[in-house]
Order: sequence, then structure tokens, then C-alpha cells
Amino acid sequence: EVQLLESGGGLVQPGGSLRLSCAASGFTFSSYAMSWVRQAPGKGLEWVSAISGSGASTYYADSVKGRFTISRDNSNNAVYLQMNSLRAEDTAVYYCAKGMGGSSWHKNDYWGQGTLVTVSS
Amino acid sequence: QSALTQPPSVSGSPGQSVTISCTGTSSDVGSYNRVSWYQQPPGTAPKLMIYEVSNRPSGVPDRFSGSKSGNTASLTISGLQAEDEADYYCSSYTSSSSLIFGGGTRLTVL
Repeated sequence: EVQLLESGGGLVQPGGSLRLSCAASGFTFSSYAMSWVRQAPGKGLEWVSAISGSGASTYYADSVKGRFTISRDNSNNAVYLQMNSLRAEDTAVYYCAKGMGGSSWHKNDYWGQGTLVTVSS
Repeated sequence: QSALTQPPSVSGSPGQSVTISCTGTSSDVGSYNRVSWYQQPPGTAPKLMIYEVSNRPSGVPDRFSGSKSGNTASLTISGLQAEDEADYYCSSYTSSSSLIFGGGTRLTVL
């Protein structure tokens, strides 16, 4: 059974940093791209970042480029999102999602339950 | 890049069919067959319902179907059931090597 478990969310001040983690199980982790998608309270989904199965390719939304960094550890079946220079508008539930292939991050067949990030003073 | 355009809400009675549209541009929906649809009941994580315009993952009922014409993709749900009530989001790959979502459509089963 595929499982994705996000952690690392919490309350942070504007300008601060946070590192989200997503622990994966139930599939051959290195064979699948992974993504982070966020949802502000009461709002729609917004794609944040993606990484290929090998980790060689990374992709970012313009809204987070230069501030967020996605990475993965295929030996520990985990994907991370390092978030720096956080802003109030980054407040959201952050979901980790599994792609349907090594580079197929545009279609995500399993999602975690999300971790809430609140940016506020 | 602006979000894909979806109607804010649609509704239908049990047994009826509803269609949700998702309009983009020639830089996303119009150029790639990389359109997906997700179902999100309140308080839960999204669930993939359709990928690559018209493909259903295993376990998704065949009442759900997808199509595309030009810059507009569509999700049709036939034989509406109460359990279909949820928010639905489309997404598309873009020419900027990014992913864009629609604003979401609230489906109400009357």
C-alpha cells in the first residue's frame, strides 16, 4: 500500500525558514517523480515544485523560485522541501504527491494528508 | 501564469450527468495532452480521477470520463451519485515546464 506522510509544518515568522519532509513507502521510490502542491485556507490547489525519480531534474513555480528547494533521498525514501524567506502568502497546507513515472510529475496518483504551514508574526 | 478557468459551481440530481469545463491557452491545455482531473471532498486530500485527458486510474468508476477540444478540457460525470459531491480541479502541464491548476469547481448533488 502506497503511503505518503508529510511532516515539518508549523508556525514561522515572515522571513523565516522551514523544511518539510515526506516519508514514502509501498512503492519503488527512486522510480517515481515526486511533487509538492499547496492549498491556502479556503482556496484552490497550487503546484509548488517537482523532482524526477533520479533527482537530476527539478522544477519550480515562479512564486517560489529562488526561495524553495526540492530534494530527495532515494536511500531513505524521502522527499524534502526547504522553504526560505517565507511570506504570509506561503501559508497553506502542503501536500506531497507521487508521480506516475520517473519523469511524470504532471500526473499524481497518490497524495499525502498534508502538513500545515502558517507564516505569521 | 493565471490559473485555468473552471466554473465555480455545478449541480445535478442523482442519476443525471454533469460536465465541468477547464479552459486554458495554447501554452498549456491546447498544446499538451497532459491534463488531469482531481476530486477533493471537504477536508481530504485530492484524488486522481483522470490523467492525460481521458485515462482513468484503476479503481475510478467508468462514470467519470474526460475529453479535450482545443484549449478546453472537460470532465463528465454520468449517473451522478451523492458520493460524487466534492470539489474538482483540473491541471495541465505548461510550455514553461510547470504545472497549472484550475480554480476548482464545487459539485453539488441535489
